[in-house]
Amino acid sequence: TQLLEQSPQFLSIQEGENLTVYCNSSSVFSSLQWYRQEPGEGPVLLVTVVTGGEVKKLKRLTFQFGDARKDSSLHITAAQPGDTGLYLCAGFLSSGSARQLTFGSGTQLTVLP
Amino acid sequence: EPEVTQTPSHQVTQMGQEVILRCVPISNHLYFYWYRQILGQKVEFLVSFYNNEISEKSEIFDDQFSVERPDGSNFTLKIRSTKLEDSAMYFCASSPGASGGLLNQQFFGPGTRLTVL
Repeated sequence: TQLLEQSPQFLSIQEGENLTVYCNSSSVFSSLQWYRQEPGEGPVLLVTVVTGGEVKKLKRLTFQFGDARKDSSLHITAAQPGDTGLYLCAGFLSSGSARQLTFGSGTQLTVLP
Repeated sequence: EPEVTQTPSHQVTQMGQEVILRCVPISNHLYFYWYRQILGQKVEFLVSFYNNEISEKSEIFDDQFSVERPDGSNFTLKIRSTKLEDSAMYFCASSPGASGGLLNQQFFGPGTRLTVL
């Protein structure tokens, strides 16, 4: 059973386009974090969302936590080649530990110049 | 900006040998973690550590694994007798706290690639 499902798994777009990546679950999360990972490197934290319905912006990236805290989305406006990377969502299950992050399988984004 | 550091970046070992992976967490963080990522698979939780003892561990973290904070800055993961299936990227992470909200944010190191031959 996939606790956190990310879609799409792969996304290739042209520079300047907009895109949305989804992270879905049937379980409730107390908080959810988005990371970006480059090949051979560790996940780099982008944002943490805590409250249902919360929206956070980081330059051209907009993160939203679902009202029921079961899903999240990452929207990138006017994508640039530098946005290329693996985007991971990870969260703490409300019914589980506040220390053990559950990761999704990631969305590999490629932005073509 | 403070960051988690890990050494070595790449470790090659023979099956059955012991390895120690080292991490320096962010200095004012209180919780430390190890995760692993087998090539092409998800990042998986191994263990969390607080106040000089293990607070949680996963099924992966069997008797072959141990963690230690030998001094005020280092946090280590030891694998006593490595197996082929231990080959993976091992990530150390740390967080300021674990009581919820932004205190739980985990910051990851660059990883150690372990190759068991």
